[in-house]
Amino acid sequence: EVQLVESGGGLVQPGGSLRLSCAASGFTFSSYWMHWVRQAPGKGLMWVSRIRTDGSSTTYADSVKGRFTISRDNAKNTLYLQMNSLRAEDTALYYCARDNNWSTFDYWGQGTLVTVSS
Amino acid sequence: DIVMTQSPDSLAVSLGERATINCKSSQSVLYSSNNKNYLAWYQQKLGQPPKLLIYWASTRESGVPDRFSGSGSGTDFTLTISSLQAEDVAVYYCQQYYSTPFTFGPGTKVDIK
Repeated sequence: EVQLVESGGGLVQPGGSLRLSCAASGFTFSSYWMHWVRQAPGKGLMWVSRIRTDGSSTTYADSVKGRFTISRDNAKNTLYLQMNSLRAEDTALYYCARDNNWSTFDYWGQGTLVTVSS
Repeated sequence: DIVMTQSPDSLAVSLGERATINCKSSQSVLYSSNNKNYLAWYQQKLGQPPKLLIYWASTRESGVPDRFSGSGSGTDFTLTISSLQAEDVAVYYCQQYYSTPFTFGPGTKVDIK
């Protein structure tokens, strides 16, 4: 059974940093591109970032470019999102999602909540 | 960026009746080299992550009931629930994967009348 379990969310002050993790199981993690998608409270979905199977290629939404870094450790079956210079508008539930090989998201985790507030 | 819009914002349909949701992209998501529309639909129930329903505008994901169908091409797309069931109460999102940044529509809330 495919499982994605996010962790690392929490309350952080504006300008602070957090590192999110997504532990994957039930599939060959190294064979799939992976994504982060976020959802502000009561709002819609926003794609954040993606990473190639081997980590050699990454893409970001403009609103997080230069502040967020996506990475992966295929030996640990884990996806990461390093978030720096956090802003109030980054407050959201952050989901990791598996790419079904054409940039749609066939499996999602339950999400981890990031709250940026002083 | 490709902007996705959806209509209506919400709708209430009687059990067993048809629900229709529209999605429009600000530019075509039809890739001419393979004649595929890079458009997906997701269902999100309260308190749950989204679930992929349809991709390539009209291909149902494995396990999705056949009362869900997608149609359209280019910039205009439709998700149809042919006979609404109680378990279909959710917010539905369209998503384009033609180009980054991948973008979602604002969502359409479906309720029971």
